[in-house]
Amino acid sequence: DTGVSQNPRHKITKRGQNVTFRCDPISEHNRLYWYRQTLGQGPEFLTYFQNEAQLEKSRLLSDRFSAERPKGSFSTLEIQRTEQGDSAMYLCASSSPDREPYEQYFGPGTRLTVT
Amino acid sequence: GDSVTQMEGPVTLSEEAFLTINCTYTATGYPSLFWYVQYPGEGLQLLLKATKADDKGSNKGFEATYRKETTSFHLEKGSVQVSDSAVYFCALSARNTNAGKSTFGDGTTLTVKP
Repeated sequence: DTGVSQNPRHKITKRGQNVTFRCDPISEHNRLYWYRQTLGQGPEFLTYFQNEAQLEKSRLLSDRFSAERPKGSFSTLEIQRTEQGDSAMYLCASSSPDREPYEQYFGPGTRLTVT
Repeated sequence: GDSVTQMEGPVTLSEEAFLTINCTYTATGYPSLFWYVQYPGEGLQLLLKATKADDKGSNKGFEATYRKETTSFHLEKGSVQVSDSAVYFCALSARNTNAGKSTFGDGTTLTVKP
């Protein structure tokens, strides 16, 4: 059990550029979640996968955001035409099919700064 | 929709002091409740949980009791240590869904001084 990993840990980009983040969940965890956390606030749910199927998306996930989990293992979150308001910590979490869905293991996050 | 309200921080205590961080929630149905801890530079870790009324979750000397009548889940520890310095998040997960997505409070920063 190596934990949830996220890459990169930090990303600085200019407004209007596209960025992509990667999340590698714990092996054999079938559920994967993306959250966004802005300074001074708690994480906010963005989207959820069960295996490769994206089953739920928050209204926070605008058309500029897209997430994939093509083989039911790692996931990517892409933000197109970044805006300064996208600056935040993007958290990934996963949970096991053998445990309750809410027992989520979080990665260290990717901190995005849009200048 | 669902929401979680936490006691505002930051909280600064001396070592061995008693800790209480208040948490109240609003939810449709009957949620499961959690406390997460985030140490500097690390990801969120599940600290404890409770899944039904009057359940007491406990871990590492921390405890919280699921109070349905007051919709609360206050975190307590009898004697804090410097190593408990972290950000604490109260959260809930609706039980009427298989998704498991969680709703978090805004976090309370705890600093324990020697």
